[in-house]
Amino acid sequence: DIQMTQSPSSLSASVGDRVTITCRASQSISDYLNWYQQKPGKAPKLLIYAASTLQRGVPSRFSGSGSGTDFTLTVSSLQPEDFASYYCQQSYATPFTFGGGTKVEIK
Amino acid sequence: QVQLLESGPGLVKPSETLSLTCSVSGGSVSSNTFYWSWIRQPPGEGLEWIGYVYYTGRTIYNPSLKSRVSISMDTSKNQLSLNLRSVTAADTAVYFCAREEATRDWFDPWGQGTLVTVSS
Repeated sequence: DIQMTQSPSSLSASVGDRVTITCRASQSISDYLNWYQQKPGKAPKLLIYAASTLQRGVPSRFSGSGSGTDFTLTVSSLQPEDFASYYCQQSYATPFTFGGGTKVEIK
Repeated sequence: QVQLLESGPGLVKPSETLSLTCSVSGGSVSSNTFYWSWIRQPPGEGLEWIGYVYYTGRTIYNPSLKSRVSISMDTSKNQLSLNLRSVTAADTAVYFCAREEATRDWFDPWGQGTLVTVSS
């Protein structure tokens, strides 16, 4: 299985901060990398697919980059509604696997 | 827009079979551009992909669960189903169904999820 490692596992930030989350794959996955946001008690929501393509309706303050093994999710200016957990997912090969998650908390 | 809704027992006894249904509205499970997946999340933990079914009946399962899982589709009811046999406490989780884009395999949208607890 392809292992996905996210860092950090949690972070504290303030409204307006620029936040970056990283995701590393255990082997090259090209750009087969997707990002999700999950709020407590809710289902994950797709933010970015194919490493850098913003899902329709997602604010432009979210962006993704990377290819191969190293990827980043950036929130350019954190908003109150962005405090949540974020997960990366590789779709290069089955079984599809997720990173362990990054919890973004209010400082 | 497509909406998914999971249903089924919230409590299952150890060694029994967990059975869930996902009802799809606003779209057809017979579409050739999507797979239909099940994903689970133990309380306070991360996400685990269980497997998917295609409208042809083709299924792909996570090898970690392959010996115990089956996913099927009822096109007449526009539903998919999950059966997980011989459950233990380790199978306690929120179970989500999700539509999976068939060429790049991202999941969108997801159902709200249903908590299944395995306990006697």
